[in-house]
Amino acid sequence: ELKVEQNPLFLSMQEGKNYTIYCNYSTTSDRLYWYRQDPGKSLESLFVLLSNGAVKQEGRLMASLDTKARLSTLHITAAVHDLSATYFCAVVNTGNQFYFGTGTSLTVIP
Amino acid sequence: EAGVAQSPRYKIIEKRQSVAFWCNPISGHATLYWYQQILGQGPKLLIQFQNNGVVDDSQLPKDRFSAERLKGVDSTLKIQPAKLEDSAVYLCASSSRDRGLVQETQYFGPGTRLLVL
Repeated sequence: ELKVEQNPLFLSMQEGKNYTIYCNYSTTSDRLYWYRQDPGKSLESLFVLLSNGAVKQEGRLMASLDTKARLSTLHITAAVHDLSATYFCAVVNTGNQFYFGTGTSLTVIP
Repeated sequence: EAGVAQSPRYKIIEKRQSVAFWCNPISGHATLYWYQQILGQGPKLLIQFQNNGVVDDSQLPKDRFSAERLKGVDSTLKIQPAKLEDSAVYLCASSSRDRGLVQETQYFGPGTRLLVL
């Protein structure tokens, strides 16, 4: 079974600061997704990363993928309160099954 | 475009009772997923359908859980009998592989919150 680990599990950061969330996975995959989940809400797709070296950016969030290291990062630039949420990465195996990480709960403090 | 619909949104039952959840995916989406999300954890795939066929149900507790997708559109997930540890949010998602592309985006419904007492 494919294992997906995120760290940190909890992140409290001040507005205006930068930080990175890490997503490691255990077996070969060439597709990785990042999702956002607000409290009591469902999941919203943020990024799809399809190949080694892929980088995508949307606003203050930038995601990258290193398939050789089996690592993806979600970088937050100059955090604002609206970014407070739980962020999940999900990896797809060769059978097209999605495996989600443990999630990173982000709180941005004014 | 209408999103993924789920009902009910909330359900409270006693252990050993039965419960059923319904999902209507986005029109035209061939793939449908059911996930279980326990509080504080990431979603865990229970079952995946491609049209009306099961692609993967390896993590579905088949002694108590069942799911079907008749006619390849709507789907129901049933738990019979429920246990305390089944308390979770049950998420339905659908996707449609873009023609000629590998990319496949999942669209999630609002979920059904189940509490088993």
